[in-house]
Amino acid sequence: AQTVTQSQPEMSVQEAETVTLSCTYDTSESDYYLFWYKQPPSRQMILVIRQEAYKQQNATENRFSVNFQKAAKSFSLKISDSQLGDAAMYFCAYRGTTSGTYKYIFGTGTRLKVLA
Amino acid sequence: KAGVTQTPRYLIKTRGQQVTLSCSPISGHRSVSWYQQTPGQGLQFLFEYFSETQRNKGNFPGRFSGRQFSNSRSEMNVSTLELGDSALYLCASSLVSGVLAKNIQYFGAGTRLSVL
Repeated sequence: AQTVTQSQPEMSVQEAETVTLSCTYDTSESDYYLFWYKQPPSRQMILVIRQEAYKQQNATENRFSVNFQKAAKSFSLKISDSQLGDAAMYFCAYRGTTSGTYKYIFGTGTRLKVLA
Repeated sequence: KAGVTQTPRYLIKTRGQQVTLSCSPISGHRSVSWYQQTPGQGLQFLFEYFSETQRNKGNFPGRFSGRQFSNSRSEMNVSTLELGDSALYLCASSLVSGVLAKNIQYFGAGTRLSVL
């Protein structure tokens, strides 16, 4: 079965600095998708970034980028120039491409605090 | 375009009662998924509906059920409520096209259920 592990329950970063959130996963599939979602105190989950496993190039969305290491099954999120609005819970998620693995599997989340 | 709408936002019930939660997806989205979020278990997949058919199901007891209507709106029902059912229930919709796993899920703000 697929699993997603986020080993950092909480992280802190100074405003304008860079922070990296870790995520590892386990799967026997070769084709899948990985996501980072953000959940602010308002509770609404928002997609931050998506990575397709068959693409070697790391995904980037403005200040957010990932370091995708397929062989190591690692998918970390880097937030550059951190802003107060980045404070939230961040969830790493896996989604397979076969009918039995199609559902989202989420990690336990990392709470990010941004210090002014 | 309106986002995913979940009603009600908050609900208080007592043990043994049943509850129905509602989710209206983004216009044009035909897939609706439900998740249970608790501090201890994190985000867990309940089920997914597409074109009024349950396509995927998580590991939850039969007390948890759902359905989808022809307009893609979905309801989730929990019967014989237990204290452990207290959680944030999230609904997510997606536009189904191409590779299914690639489709982004858009989440609602959730329904906070408290069982006393």
